[in-house]
Amino acid sequence: AQTVTQSQPEMSVQEAETVTLSCTYDTSESDYYLFWYKQPPSRQMILVIRQEAYKQQNATENRFSVNFQKAAKSFSLKISDSQLGDAAMYFCAYRTTSGTYKYIFGTGTRLKVLA
Amino acid sequence: DAGVIQSPRHEVTEMGQEVTLRCKPISGHNSLFWYRQTMMRGLELLIYFNNNVPIDDSGMPEDRFSAKMPNASFSTLKIQPSEPRDSAVYFCASSWGLSPDTQYFGPGTRLTVL
Repeated sequence: AQTVTQSQPEMSVQEAETVTLSCTYDTSESDYYLFWYKQPPSRQMILVIRQEAYKQQNATENRFSVNFQKAAKSFSLKISDSQLGDAAMYFCAYRTTSGTYKYIFGTGTRLKVLA
Repeated sequence: DAGVIQSPRHEVTEMGQEVTLRCKPISGHNSLFWYRQTMMRGLELLIYFNNNVPIDDSGMPEDRFSAKMPNASFSTLKIQPSEPRDSAVYFCASSWGLSPDTQYFGPGTRLTVL
């Protein structure tokens, strides 16, 4: 069975600084998707970034980028130029490509942004 | 669009009672997901539907949980009988076939079972 692990329950970053959130996963599949979702206090989940395992290039979305290390089964999220609005819970998630949309989420990392 | 609508927003009940949570997905979306979120276990997928048909219910904890989607605009998650360990925030999310990973989450229902 696939698992997703986020070992940092909470992180803090100074406004305008850079922070990296860690995620590791375990799977026996060779092709899959990885995601980072943001959950602000409103509790609604927002897709931040998606990575396809067969692509070696790391995904980037504006200030958000990932460091995808397939052999190490590591998928970290880097937030550059942190803003107060980035404060939220961040979830790492996994989905197989085998036609099912069953998502497996980590337990989340709470990010605090300090002014 | 009003987004995904869930009701009630808060539910407090006593152990042994039946609880029904409701969800209205975004119009035009053809996939619907039910999640449970707790501090200990994080966010867990319980079940998801595609075109009103349950596709994967392997995340449903036990027979006390059941979910239905009688039409494209309505789904329910029922717990009978409820237990204190069912206390959690339950989210409903919907997505569209060509962008299944862009799930739109509802505001959640906070369930407390005493």
